[in-house]
Parts: sequence; C-alpha cells; structure tokens
Amino acid sequence: SAVISQKPSRDICQRGTSLTIQCQVDSQVTMMFWYRQQPGQSLTLIATANQGSEATYESGFVIDKFPISRPNLTFSTLTVSNMSPEDSSIYLCSVDGLAGGTSTDTQYFGPGTRLTVL
Amino acid sequence: QKEVEQNSGPLSVPEGAIASLNCTYSDRGSQSFFWYRQYSGKSPELIMSIYSNGDKEDGRFTAQLNKASQYVSLLIRDSQPSDSATYLCAVNMGGNKLVFGAGTILRVKS
Repeated sequence: SAVISQKPSRDICQRGTSLTIQCQVDSQVTMMFWYRQQPGQSLTLIATANQGSEATYESGFVIDKFPISRPNLTFSTLTVSNMSPEDSSIYLCSVDGLAGGTSTDTQYFGPGTRLTVL
Repeated sequence: QKEVEQNSGPLSVPEGAIASLNCTYSDRGSQSFFWYRQYSGKSPELIMSIYSNGDKEDGRFTAQLNKASQYVSLLIRDSQPSDSATYLCAVNMGGNKLVFGAGTILRVKS
C-alpha cells in the first residue's frame, strides 16, 4: 500500500479564517478522496479529487466552502474556507488505485488533520 | 439514501473469546465491502475486503458476506486487548465511493 502523509496534523483556527490541508502520496495513484469525521461520528465523503479537472462534490458539500486541488497524481489539497466552530472535525484523505492500472477498489487513509475552530 | 447500519456498541468480550461485528447495507447492487479498524485518535486502517458471498479468512479475522440478506460481518477469534477499537463497515455503493457505518466500539477485557 502507498505511504500517505498529511499536513498539518492538527491546527487551531479562528472563526472566519481558512485552512489548507495537504495530502501527499509516495506513489502515483488513480483516485484521491477527502473525508470529514466529526466528533464521535463516522466518516463522510466530501469529494473526489480529480487530477486535471474540478473535484466531484457529494451532496451537502460545495466548492466555495471546500475548494480542492489535485495538480498531479501524488498530491492534493483541501481548503476549509470561512471556518466556523461547526467545521471542527478530523479531515482525512484517502487513495485508491495505481495510475496506469485499474482501480483496486480499496482505499487507504492518511493520518488525518484534526481541526479545531474557535 | 444509501445507508450502512452498525450497532454502535460497545461490544464487550473477554480476552480469548470470539467478537462478532455486524453490518447491514441498503443498496442491493453493492459489490465491494470493507472492514476498517480505528483506534482512538488515529485514522482508519483496512482490515479486510470481501467481494463474494461466503467467508474470507485472514489470520484471526473472518469476514462473512451474504448479499441476499445485505449483511456483512466480521469475526475476530482469540480477541486480544489490543483489538479494542472502533470497527467501521464500509460499502462501495458505486463510483468507488465508500459509505461508512457509524462504527461499533469493541472492548476486549483482560
């Protein structure tokens, strides 16, 4: 499986500010995803990060609030914009598949970014 | 709405016993099923994947799938205190998008 890193690992931010989270993989992967895990809850998919095109967002998530970039096959960013305390969550990236081949249909998760908004 | 249901627990078992974790899903067309383990403060770690009806064994873990009943389970044999964690059931409901259950908290008592 790929080695996935995320930066920052945690942050405390003020209301109204924005935070960009980075996800780096040590090998090229076909698909990258961003999830949110609110306190005491399970994982919810925010969007699929598409290389070279706009991300595909799930119901309830919009690009203005969660802009995503994926400039290449090993890197993606998620920005949480105009934050409020309700955005306090763990944000996780996951990867699936190796570029040039078919998807393995199996996702592996990064270590997560714990965000607290005051 | 596509859903995955799990009993939140906690499920308490003594050390050495078999822990049985269950999951049901709503989309009859789902083809891929996964169990993840999540320790407190950590990210989910893949334990098992299963695609066909029946049992799949990997060490102390056995995943069971019954597509007709839309039911997936995970058995942990010889449970250890280190198995204490939240176990997440995830189902691929199309487009490689995983829908997660709420998770079952497992506590193994020594």
